[in-house]
Amino acid sequence: DQQVKQNSPSLSVQEGRISILNCDYTNSMFDYFLWYKKYPAEGPTFLISISSIKDKNEDGRFTVFLNKSAKHLSLHIVPSQPGDSAVYFCAAASSNDYKLSFGAGTTVTVRA
Amino acid sequence: NAGVTQTPKFQVLKTGQSMTLQCAQDMNHNSMYWYRQDPGMGLRLIYYSASEGTTDKGEVPNGYNVSRLNKREFSLRLESAAPSQTSVYFCASNRQPSNTGELFFGEGSRLTVL
Repeated sequence: DQQVKQNSPSLSVQEGRISILNCDYTNSMFDYFLWYKKYPAEGPTFLISISSIKDKNEDGRFTVFLNKSAKHLSLHIVPSQPGDSAVYFCAAASSNDYKLSFGAGTTVTVRA
Repeated sequence: NAGVTQTPKFQVLKTGQSMTLQCAQDMNHNSMYWYRQDPGMGLRLIYYSASEGTTDKGEVPNGYNVSRLNKREFSLRLESAAPSQTSVYFCASNRQPSNTGELFFGEGSRLTVL
């Protein structure tokens, strides 16, 4: 059973608007969360992370929010740009071993 | 700086054939991982090696073997390929203990088993 779930397989957004990607997890031992971005024919690349001691982390246009009580995190991209069109994977780990568990991914398409 | 390098990038096998996927990293990382990516399933951990000389099973190890040849290299072997092993395979590495958990991935190896 997947411990990290991304229930939206795809998201289409207009350039300049906000993209919101959601992720839920079930394992209460997870205390570190990451987002990866993947272009076709390339490996995933690290985007942003957050530890459970925080509820928000911001890096430029990317912000990750963590709601521990709901076991939910989200990634906000503002403003969305055409180069943001990619597959985004949510991942989670326990700081005991840092073995990442990944969600199924959300394909984001930014329309001009 | 090459990072994580995987070979081959593409391979077609017949059921029952064997092959080895090679992975090498030049970042002096101690931990290395093999994931497979399937539609609707995300990335699933096959095997990992926390340090040179150690290997452990991940979420989906059946049908695979691994070898941590040295600190740089971590290979994945399919002894008798099955159509269910058709997938894109990613090797990754990082330095443990880590305060970020961030993995560095190779470009992937697309395997088709007929």
